[in-house]
Amino acid sequence: AQTVTQSQPEMSVQEAETVTLSCTYDTSESDYYLFWYKQPPSRQMILVIRQEAYKQQNATENRFSVNFQKAAKSFSLKISDSQLGDAAMYFCAYRSAGTGNQFYFGTGTSLTVIP
Amino acid sequence: NAGVTQTPKFQVLKTGQSMTLQCAQDMNHNSMYWYRQDPGMGLRLIYYSASEGTTDKGEVPNGYNVSRLNKREFSLRLESAAPSQTSVYFCASSVIPGPQETQYFGPGTRLLVL
Repeated sequence: AQTVTQSQPEMSVQEAETVTLSCTYDTSESDYYLFWYKQPPSRQMILVIRQEAYKQQNATENRFSVNFQKAAKSFSLKISDSQLGDAAMYFCAYRSAGTGNQFYFGTGTSLTVIP
Repeated sequence: NAGVTQTPKFQVLKTGQSMTLQCAQDMNHNSMYWYRQDPGMGLRLIYYSASEGTTDKGEVPNGYNVSRLNKREFSLRLESAAPSQTSVYFCASSVIPGPQETQYFGPGTRLLVL
């Protein structure tokens, strides 16, 4: 089974600053999808950004961008101009392009935004 | 458009009791999923339904059953609850079961088994 590792259980950032959350994964597949989900205190999982492995260009969604390094199996999330509302647990997830449709989630990084 | 809704929000059970967690989506999605989230861990897939009338096991199906009642509703049943099933349960849906499809999550059900 694929594994997803988030080595930073907790991170903090000053409001308006930039923070990068790390994620690495282990797979022998060449085609797959990677995701970052945000889970605020309400506990609902919210999609932040998605990256297709076959795309070389890094995905960007407003203040959120990723640094996808396929050879290194690394998928970090950069949050620019951090806002108080960004405070949440962030989960990195992997999903195979083949059959099975199963997500593999990391253990999460708790992000605190300091006013 | 409520998205994905789950009931109840919170439940306490005694060991051996049964209960059904309800999930409904109003987005006309074909695929629905049940996950559990334990402390310090990411979500793990229990069961999923790629389309109405089909269900398949995920990573941790033991102790659970599911029913895809119709296109909108996907329920998760615990026949004989055990303390190891204390967790937060999330339902999700997506348009189709493809891996590139975004999953939309419900607010979760917090279950405590004593």
